[in-house]
Amino acid sequence: GAVVSQHPSRVICKSGTSVKIECRSLDFQATTMFWYRQFPKKSLMLMATSNEGSKATYEQGVEKDKFLINHASLTLSTLTVTSAHPEDSSFYICSARDGSADNSPLHFGNGTRLTVT
Amino acid sequence: QKEVEQNSGPLSVPEGAIASLNCTYSDRVSQSFFWYRQYSGKSPELIMSIYSNGDKEDGRFTAQLNKASQYVSLLIRDSQPSDSATYLCAVVNTDKLIFGTGTRLQVFP
Repeated sequence: GAVVSQHPSRVICKSGTSVKIECRSLDFQATTMFWYRQFPKKSLMLMATSNEGSKATYEQGVEKDKFLINHASLTLSTLTVTSAHPEDSSFYICSARDGSADNSPLHFGNGTRLTVT
Repeated sequence: QKEVEQNSGPLSVPEGAIASLNCTYSDRVSQSFFWYRQYSGKSPELIMSIYSNGDKEDGRFTAQLNKASQYVSLLIRDSQPSDSATYLCAVVNTDKLIFGTGTRLQVFP
């Protein structure tokens, strides 16, 4: 089945620093990837849609200057959390569709647990 | 009204029983529905997709869809302790996948 690789799996950083998370589709090309955030005991909240070769589309309430998304190739999207603060501590998960249709299922990376101290 | 609603649970069932998980959605034009399983601290993994009214079976899992009632469910037969997890219902809204809050299932021996 389709595999999405996410790195790092866990990161601890100091307040004010930036953290980059990588998401790769390993055996398929993904023109679109999705970034979700999940707080403890809460559901996945879509942050943004990452489009290869163009600007990301952010959901309402998500600061695009704080959460920088780059989708430079058909297999790689990155999310950079800039000037991280403790309230940014969360579980960040990327996903991609294996297929071009909107109803193709999403496959998820293993997630990145970010802790900002 | 939330776009995708699930009872948060926990739903507790004995080993070997049938677990029934329910989900309702608000967008009447939605056409694609998914069930994901998420173990604590892990990413969601796809269990089933369903696009047409009726039942779809895959091993111990059966997804049921009723578009008129805007309702989708997941049945797990012969529940095992390893099935204990949070089950997320997800609905495609335009090109986005919107998740419910999940139902926590506990299967006790």
